[in-house]
Amino acid sequence: DQQVKQNSPSLSVQEGRISILNCDYTNSMFDYFLWYKKYPAEGPTFLISISSIKDKNEDGRFTVFLNKSAKHLSLHIVPSQPGDSAVYFCAAKVYNAGNMLTFGGGTRLMVKP
Amino acid sequence: DAGITQSPRHKVTETGTPVTLRCHQTENHRYMYWYRQDPGHGLRLIHYSYGVKDTDKGEVSDGYSVSRSKTEDFLLTLESATSSQTSVYFCAIGPQGRHGYTFGSGTRLTVV
Repeated sequence: DQQVKQNSPSLSVQEGRISILNCDYTNSMFDYFLWYKKYPAEGPTFLISISSIKDKNEDGRFTVFLNKSAKHLSLHIVPSQPGDSAVYFCAAKVYNAGNMLTFGGGTRLMVKP
Repeated sequence: DAGITQSPRHKVTETGTPVTLRCHQTENHRYMYWYRQDPGHGLRLIHYSYGVKDTDKGEVSDGYSVSRSKTEDFLLTLESATSSQTSVYFCAIGPQGRHGYTFGSGTRLTVV
């Protein structure tokens, strides 16, 4: 039973437009959420995170929104660039209860020039 | 990435043979993890370690064992490789502040 789900395996966006990647979770104990980006033949790298006490966190072109009542978070990339083409993983944890991260299945983003 | 390396980067092995993957860190971090990445499944935890000789199972531990005799090294062993263990394996250390984990570059294992 997947506790973190990314229901869109792939997404294609035109350069300069907005990319929206979605993530749903089922465990109401999760209180810290992260997004990782992964290029081919490399390990995942941290992108942005958000605590459950916030509903939005912004870092340059990247913004993560958290809707706790819906158990849903989304990553917005504005404007999208070809270099953003990668696989994006959503991850969640219970912040003060161990170090385990639970990952979603990933979404492959393709940004077309 | 600096601080964590995996070896080998690629390996092809035959069904039924033992295989050991190595993860080496220079960050002196207490926690280390082994994940596998498969299409549609994302990253799934195999085993993790919370100190020298202290390990525990993750979500998909069947068919795998681990050992950690030194802080810097975390070994993943497939005692008798099967085709279902063909995957990309990632080692990670963490947590590291708000960044969560730092991952190695991965090992692509093919079992034929």
